[in-house]
Amino acid sequence: QQQVKQSPQSLIVQKGGISIINCAYENTAFDYFPWYQQFPGKGPALLIAIRPDVSEKKEGRFTISFNKSAKQFSLHIMDSQPGDSATYFCAASPVPLIQGAQKLVFGQGTRLTINP
Amino acid sequence: KAGVTQTPRYLIKTRGQQVTLSCSPISGHRSVSWYQQTPGQGLQFLFEYFSETQRNKGNFPGRFSGRQFSNSRSEMNVSTLELGDSALYLCASRRAGTDTQYFGPGTRLTVL
Repeated sequence: QQQVKQSPQSLIVQKGGISIINCAYENTAFDYFPWYQQFPGKGPALLIAIRPDVSEKKEGRFTISFNKSAKQFSLHIMDSQPGDSATYFCAASPVPLIQGAQKLVFGQGTRLTINP
Repeated sequence: KAGVTQTPRYLIKTRGQQVTLSCSPISGHRSVSWYQQTPGQGLQFLFEYFSETQRNKGNFPGRFSGRQFSNSRSEMNVSTLELGDSALYLCASRRAGTDTQYFGPGTRLTVL
């Protein structure tokens, strides 16, 4: 119930195309859904995040779509660029038992390659 | 503003030894979380500390422990190392009242 399932494991997109990564969860107690980007040798960095009261959030070329009834959320990268080549992780955090606490449950990651 | 720093960056130990990893959060951040990253299991939550108190714990054996100091710096300790403990250990800090966790570059632990 604590799992977050991410697909695909790897993705190759042409420069200028749209990259789409999907995640699904079972635990209805999750209430915070961030996406992280990780480059080799670096720690993950937050890209964009959403809470269940919103169905879509856009920041620049990055958009999260959230479907609460289907328990799915996805990341769309518009006009994908070679510099977007990285590993992307979706995550979810349940409503905390202790106020302010946070425990991120991560998907398995998607290795994205943008071909020039 | 300096980011999250972790020391050491690389560490090689042998089975049965113990290891201590250190994390300095971003100034003003009082929450520190630790994660283990491996190719097989991905990113897994270890524990979270806030104001020197552990307030969240993942599903790891008792060999994994941590603590936080009054200046918010945190350490994690792994005793009786096993080969399967080889991983990248990531620390993340967060400002109270906010959601965003900021990750450090990690400590790469290799157990031989």
